[in-house]
Amino acid sequence: TQLLEQSPQFLSIQEGENLTVYCNSSSVFSSLQWYRQEPGEGPVLLVTVVTGGEVKKLKRLTFQFGDARKDSSLHITAAQPGDTGLYLCAGANAGGTSYGKLTFGQGTILTVHP
Amino acid sequence: GAGVSQSPSNKVTEKGKDVELRCDPISGHTALYWYRQSLGQGLEFLIYFQGNSAPDKSGLPSDRFSAERTGGSVSTLTIQRTQQEDSAVYLCASSRWGLNGNYGYTFGSGTRLTVV
Repeated sequence: TQLLEQSPQFLSIQEGENLTVYCNSSSVFSSLQWYRQEPGEGPVLLVTVVTGGEVKKLKRLTFQFGDARKDSSLHITAAQPGDTGLYLCAGANAGGTSYGKLTFGQGTILTVHP
Repeated sequence: GAGVSQSPSNKVTEKGKDVELRCDPISGHTALYWYRQSLGQGLEFLIYFQGNSAPDKSGLPSDRFSAERTGGSVSTLTIQRTQQEDSAVYLCASSRWGLNGNYGYTFGSGTRLTVV
């Protein structure tokens, strides 16, 4: 069974601070995705990283896929209250019993205070 | 439609009753997934449909849970003889399916099920 561990589980910061969320596994993934979820809504895809060592930037968000494709990080610069939400990482595997479906981490609840 | 549609958005049912949850995926998306989410937590995989292949039911927690997908489109998740531990948000997602699983999911807003 493939597992993704996210840390921290909770993060409460002030507006303007920087933060990093980590997603780790002992398994190799063919790609890894990050989602953001707001209360009462389904998760929304932020980014997909595919290549080991890949770095993608989305405005103030920077996503990195580990060289071995077992881990990923999400860094937010100068956080804003609008960044508040549940952040989920999810790994995809091209083969084996997980073929075709994503394995999700348990999520990081981020609260940014004005 | 433009997005994944789920109904009802909220469902309160009495313990022991059966419930049906509906998902209408994005047109053209061949893959459809059901996940369950407890309050503020990650997603628990339930079942996955891909085209005409046999569904992957490996995540269904008990034989009280079943799902079908008619005509490769609309899906219904049925929970028989509901229990209080079934209370959760049930999320449906659809995706274009690639060999590397690179295509992201589009989720519906979910059905919040409360068993009293």
